[in-house]
Amino acid sequence: DAKTTQPNSMESNEEEPVHLPCNHSTISGTDYIHWYRQLPSQGPEYVIHGLTSNVNNRMASLAIAEDRKSSTLILHRATLRDAAVYYCILTGSNAGGTSYGKLTFGQGTILTVHP
Amino acid sequence: DTGVSQDPRHKITKRGQNVTFRCDPISEHNRLYWYRQTLGQGPEFLTYFQNEAQLEKSRLLSDRFSAERPKGSFSTLEIQRTEQGDSAMYLCASSLYKGGNTEAFFGQGTRLTVV
Repeated sequence: DAKTTQPNSMESNEEEPVHLPCNHSTISGTDYIHWYRQLPSQGPEYVIHGLTSNVNNRMASLAIAEDRKSSTLILHRATLRDAAVYYCILTGSNAGGTSYGKLTFGQGTILTVHP
Repeated sequence: DTGVSQDPRHKITKRGQNVTFRCDPISEHNRLYWYRQTLGQGPEFLTYFQNEAQLEKSRLLSDRFSAERPKGSFSTLEIQRTEQGDSAMYLCASSLYKGGNTEAFFGQGTRLTVV
């Protein structure tokens, strides 16, 4: 499986934007980039995913580098409820597509949001 | 739709005992995943089902672990002869796979403590 590299931790102030980076230099052409987050004492929660183009949804934006070797999750206005561990994950397909959906989590980035 | 539910939420057992956990996925989701998470680590993939077929098992899934999804709906994960190293959060996730990329929905997990 292709690997991702994320900073161990980041800090932000409430209502400021947050840019969470992820490096994935060994990404293959069919790998999707997913972001999940895990709030304390909760299961992981889907945030966003993309393949090549930048993506926006109600939770966040995903900016993907042109060479796809890195991406950035953008929280436009951090709130205290955004304090969580954020995971950047690659998913791909083998013959038959059985790898889609299997998530290989790393250690993620612990985001602390200050009031 | 009540989301993915797991039962029990907490389980304390003595070493050597057998335990069984249940996961009820989101209705009509054809894929169901089991993960294990220890403190400070990201979740680790254990196994997954598409409908009632178990399609992949991790090397982490020793012969003391068995998972079933007999009717393609709920799933059970059994651990026989529990060991202290089995203490972890066991997470279940489900997704609707239609041949491509999809998001997974996680339950809140079952926390197992082996004493």
